Amino acid sequence: DVKVTQSSRYLVKRTGEKVFLECVQDMDHENMFWYRQDPGLGLRLIYFSYDVKMKEKGDIPEGYSVSREKKERFSLILESASTNQTSMYLCASSATGVFQPQHFGDGTRLSIL
Amino acid sequence: DQQVKQNSPSLSVQEGRISILNCDYTNSMFDYFLWYKKYPAEGPTFLISISSIKDKNEDGRFTVFLNKSAKHLSLHIVPSQPGDSAVYFCAASGFGNYGGSQGNLIFGKGTKLSVKP
Repeated sequence: DVKVTQSSRYLVKRTGEKVFLECVQDMDHENMFWYRQDPGLGLRLIYFSYDVKMKEKGDIPEGYSVSREKKERFSLILESASTNQTSMYLCASSATGVFQPQHFGDGTRLSIL
Repeated sequence: DQQVKQNSPSLSVQEGRISILNCDYTNSMFDYFLWYKKYPAEGPTFLISISSIKDKNEDGRFTVFLNKSAKHLSLHIVPSQPGDSAVYFCAASGFGNYGGSQGNLIFGKGTKLSVKP
């Protein structure tokens, strides 16, 4: 089974802090994704990556950056955390190819105070 | 502009009956559709998918139907069980979502299913 592991289930940070969310997958997937989930808004794509050191913006990249130095690891960075970034953050990975589902981690519930 | 719409935020069904969750999409370039189930405080779990070359895919109690002309898909759960109570997300994918790259999913906002004993 695909395993996508997010480093923290719950995280509390303060406004202005630089926040790192880590995600590791063990299936040698080429593609990795970061989403945030908010009530009534569903899942919104922040950033994604199709290969090491490659990144592309999703729907809501403002205030975020990402890093993919190794194939199995994809990090989301909040450069200067703000209260409107309080959310559930979900990481996913998928294999390259036609009709490949994304597999999600359990999420990180991030609160910015 | 929502490309994938789940118009029912919630659905309540009696145990043993059929649950039908609906999803509409607007982009005719979508060629792959998925359903995910999500429990609180967990990540979404892939449930079932269908490609645009089919109109039905079945996996145990779960069946997905695709009506391309109507740009509509539905998930049927028969029989419904209390453990099926969760939020269900519909998602779609196709070439051209983001600069021509495949693999990106567009999600609906979800339908909360409650199955009552």
